[in-house]
Amino acid sequence: DVVMTQSPLSLPVTLGQPASISCTSSQSLVHSNGNTYLTWFQQRPGQSPRRLIYKVSDRDSGVPDRFSGSGSGTDFTLKISRVEAEDVGVYYCMQGTHWPPYTFGQGTKLEIK
Amino acid sequence: EVHLLESGGGLVQPGGSLKLSCAASGFTFSNFAMSWVRQAPGKGLEWVSFIGGTDGSTFYVDSVKGRFTVSRDNTQNTLYLQMNRLRAEDTAVYYCARDGGYTSSLGDYWGQGTLVTVSS
Repeated sequence: DVVMTQSPLSLPVTLGQPASISCTSSQSLVHSNGNTYLTWFQQRPGQSPRRLIYKVSDRDSGVPDRFSGSGSGTDFTLKISRVEAEDVGVYYCMQGTHWPPYTFGQGTKLEIK
Repeated sequence: EVHLLESGGGLVQPGGSLKLSCAASGFTFSNFAMSWVRQAPGKGLEWVSFIGGTDGSTFYVDSVKGRFTVSRDNTQNTLYLQMNRLRAEDTAVYYCARDGGYTSSLGDYWGQGTLVTVSS
């Protein structure tokens, strides 16, 4: 199974400042069809996960443009250009290239300093 | 508007059974695969199972193979997860999620989850 490793696991950020979360996969996530199936989810406290980004950099409908995804191969990044209070929660990366199983990272907890 | 609503969770003894349901609305259910994802208390997300939209193909995480069965009724727009021989480590909130596969990927819509507690 593909192992997804996130860093940092805890991310204190000042309001209005940028934030960045790294996700590394144990093997390349480039599919034979040319796509890379790397997804980012946000889970606010007490809520269900919400998808933010899929296929590395495609933003879901309704997701603020301060969220962006980038990367290739085995190294990926979620960036928040200016953190707002509503961004508090846990962020997960997930790979969908080498499935089953889909595999998730451990999660990164974003909090406001 | 897409809506997914899980039900059927509860307290069950080790070795017991439970059947979860996920009622879908707001989209053509049969056109989409579906997945179950669980989250143990205070832990991260774990994919559990997948079922295709029309071909009914199924896949499971190794830890539930032979114990869990995923199914769907496209006439009732409902997804199911039959869980047998439950273990303490199956205790989690179980979410159903729409799965766009290689087109739009897993998880554009999630339910609110249903809690399964396996304890004596």
